[in-house]
Amino acid sequence: GAGVSQSPRYKVAKRGQDVALRCDPISGHVSLFWYQQALGQGPEFLTYFQNEAQLDKSGLPSDRFFAERPEGSVSTLKIQRTQQEDSAVYLCASSFYGAPGNEQFFGPGTRLTVL
Amino acid sequence: GNSVTQMEGPVTLSEEAFLTINCTYTATGYPSLFWYVQYPGEGLQLLLKATKADDKGSNKGFEATYRKETTSFHLEKGSVQVSDSAVYFCARVNFGNEKLTFGTGTRLTIIP
Repeated sequence: GAGVSQSPRYKVAKRGQDVALRCDPISGHVSLFWYQQALGQGPEFLTYFQNEAQLDKSGLPSDRFFAERPEGSVSTLKIQRTQQEDSAVYLCASSFYGAPGNEQFFGPGTRLTVL
Repeated sequence: GNSVTQMEGPVTLSEEAFLTINCTYTATGYPSLFWYVQYPGEGLQLLLKATKADDKGSNKGFEATYRKETTSFHLEKGSVQVSDSAVYFCARVNFGNEKLTFGTGTRLTIIP
């Protein structure tokens, strides 16, 4: 596709529900990233894939957060037993190849609100 | 650690004013430095970048110079326009690592 797409764009969940957020990266992009952006803050790194391999998950805040990219393309971020502090915008980004200077292209984000 | 400290906002300027948004970074590793911009209702997009000391990134009239001696990467524009109103994020990536570390963002509003 033309850019990184994410779905849903908005998600409202009741506390304790599980949610799944989807990211479709730019075709051919090897690297895929998930970030969490709280209101009024900069994005914070959650996890990173190179193809299907999850190379870094150091930013995942708890074991309720799980991400996968089984075929090296689409990725899903799953949050189990959502809590109010999980409310944030979840951003997905992709880049062509693993090099620090490479531009990351961001999707529009999924705004999660946990009631 | 690997952090980025960004000038707090919000910043409000009149059209055609000179803009500086300060950004400093901790001198660990050999970071590449970025400015990302988020226009109202849109996703984050790269504005400019610099990958080594003394590099100057530039785009859309904005400039930033990678200053190792002052560990800074300040964003400047000589004459801002209403369309520059957005949130600006300074960010870094360390060599050997791809994850971006962002500053807290600076909301810029340009009034006609």
